[in-house]
Amino acid sequence: AQTVTQSQPEMSVQEAETVTLSCTYDTSESDYYLFWYKQPPSRQMILVIRQEAYKQQNATENRFSVNFQKAAKSFSLKISDSQLGDAAMYFCAYRRGYGGSQGNLIFGKGTKLSVKP
Amino acid sequence: SAVISQKPSRDICQRGTSLTIQCQVDSQVTMMFWYRQQPGQSLTLIATANQGSEATYESGFVIDKFPISRPNLTFSTLTVSNMSPEDSSIYLCSDLTTSGRKGNEQFFGPGTRLTVL
Repeated sequence: AQTVTQSQPEMSVQEAETVTLSCTYDTSESDYYLFWYKQPPSRQMILVIRQEAYKQQNATENRFSVNFQKAAKSFSLKISDSQLGDAAMYFCAYRRGYGGSQGNLIFGKGTKLSVKP
Repeated sequence: SAVISQKPSRDICQRGTSLTIQCQVDSQVTMMFWYRQQPGQSLTLIATANQGSEATYESGFVIDKFPISRPNLTFSTLTVSNMSPEDSSIYLCSDLTTSGRKGNEQFFGPGTRLTVL
């Protein structure tokens, strides 16, 4: 069974600084997707970034980028120029690379990010 | 991306009663899922809502407790039956589309915060 591990329950960053959130996963599949979701106090789950396992290039979305190390099964999220609005719970998630009954996401326990002004 | 709405956004219910949560997507999607997020926890998949047939439940969740309907490609309901305080959680609807520019990205509704007294 696939598992997702986030080893940092809480992280803190100064506004305008850079922070990296860690995520490791375990799978025997070769085709899969990895995601980072943000959940602010409003509880809305917001997709931050997506990485396809077959792509060697790391995904980027504006201030958000990932360091995807497939062999190490590591998928960290880097937030640059942190803003107060980045404060939230961040969840790393895994999904198998095809649909059917296995199209669901498997989530890590989350990392609570605080941003200090 | 598809826009997902849920009703109600929150409710406070008495022990032993049932609540039906509705999920509406503004476009046809391949798959729909129901997740539960207990207080301070990550998201756990309850079931995959299958269009026109019985839902596929994860281990630990049963149809008698969480009956699900999906009469078409844009609508699903989750009922929490015979509620107890342990059912107090946020319930989230999610969709997955496997085609198009946003293919293989999974989005979430705003969630329903349920409190059982």
